[in-house]
This record gives sequence, structure tokens and C-alpha cells, in this order.
Amino acid sequence: KNEVEQSPQNLTAQEGEFITINCSYSVGISALHWLQQHPGGGIVSLFMLSSGKKKHGRLIATINIQEKHSSLHITASHPRDSAVYICAVSPRGEGGSEKLVFGKGTKLTVNP
Amino acid sequence: DADVTQTPRNRITKTGKRIMLECSQTKGHDRMYWYRQDPGLGLRLIYYSFDVKDINKGEISDGYSVSRQAQAKFSLSLESAIPNQTALYFCATSAPGPNSPLHFGNGTRLTVT
Repeated sequence: KNEVEQSPQNLTAQEGEFITINCSYSVGISALHWLQQHPGGGIVSLFMLSSGKKKHGRLIATINIQEKHSSLHITASHPRDSAVYICAVSPRGEGGSEKLVFGKGTKLTVNP
Repeated sequence: DADVTQTPRNRITKTGKRIMLECSQTKGHDRMYWYRQDPGLGLRLIYYSFDVKDINKGEISDGYSVSRQAQAKFSLSLESAIPNQTALYFCATSAPGPNSPLHFGNGTRLTVT
């Protein structure tokens, strides 16, 4: 069974700190997704990656396929980054988004 | 306007009542999904639809039913609500393919008393 484990479960930081959220998974994948869930509940897709690194503004996502591990980094964190960050994987060869396996999320709080 | 719209945003209902959650989208995607989210658990798939005539059960379909009224509309029904169906429900859409991102609605918070 494919499992997606995120760490830490909860993270509190001071504004300006560099943040790292980790995601490990147990089977081969075709892609890994990072999602952000705002305090109001809405979920947005941040990144989808299958190799290497992607950057969008202050957010950087990396993936190591051999080690089955991905990290989401936030540089110069800000209180508006406070959210739950969710990792999800598409198991290789198992169809589309209906096969996504989700982690339980990492709740990030950035204090001013 | 949101690309994926869920109604209602919040709903409180009583045990045994029938309730419908609605989802509409302007993304033009054929694929639509219903998920539920519980505290401490990851998103779990209830039902998904690849087009109007193709509806499939997900991981936790018991106690739920769906209707795909049109490409743009996908409704989730609880025929007889029970308290353990209290959760946050999300509708999502995607393009075809294994690596297409999901586009989520803002969620419906359902409380069954």
C-alpha cells in the first residue's frame, strides 16, 4: 500500500525564517503534488513535479526520486504563508488524479 | 468568479435527513471528483466522474451517491445523513492524464447533529 508521510505535522515559525516541510512516499510515482489549504478551507495547487526542482516566488519544491522524498521550502516566511501544506503522489502506472494518495498535511503558523 | 463553485459553503443538518451538495465548474474539464477531509486524515475520494456517463466509486462511497447532470455539474448526496459524515467536503476537477493538477472548490463544511 502506498503511504505518504509528511513531517512535521505542525510547524511554528517567526516571520522571516526559512521553512522546510518534508514528504516521503513508499512506491514509484509519476508525479508529486504540493497543495496549500488556506485557513478558510480552500485548496490550491502549488507545484507538480516529477524530477528536480521548481520555484515560484518564495516557494521552492524539490524531489529526489531515488530516495522517494520531496521537500517544500519557503524563504523569508510571512504570516500570510500560514496554511496547511499537503503532499500528494500519483502512483506510477495507476491512472490519473483519481489515484492520488494524499498526506495528512503540515500545519504551518508564521508569527509576526 | 471561482472556476469551481461549491454550494452551500456551510450546512448543519440532522441525522436521517437527505442532503445534497452541489458543484459547478467553468474549467471545461471532463473529470470531476468529490473528496472528504477529516481532522488528522488526508483527503479521501468519495466518487469521481470522467464524463456524464462515467461515474465511479472512490475509496469511501458507502452512504453517498452522486449525479453528473452535465459536464459542468456534479452533485453529492447523503441519502440519510449520520453524525460521522460530519466533515469538510471538496469538489475538484482535472484535465485527463496522470499528471494533471486538481482544481478545488472552496469546500462545504457539513455538520450532522
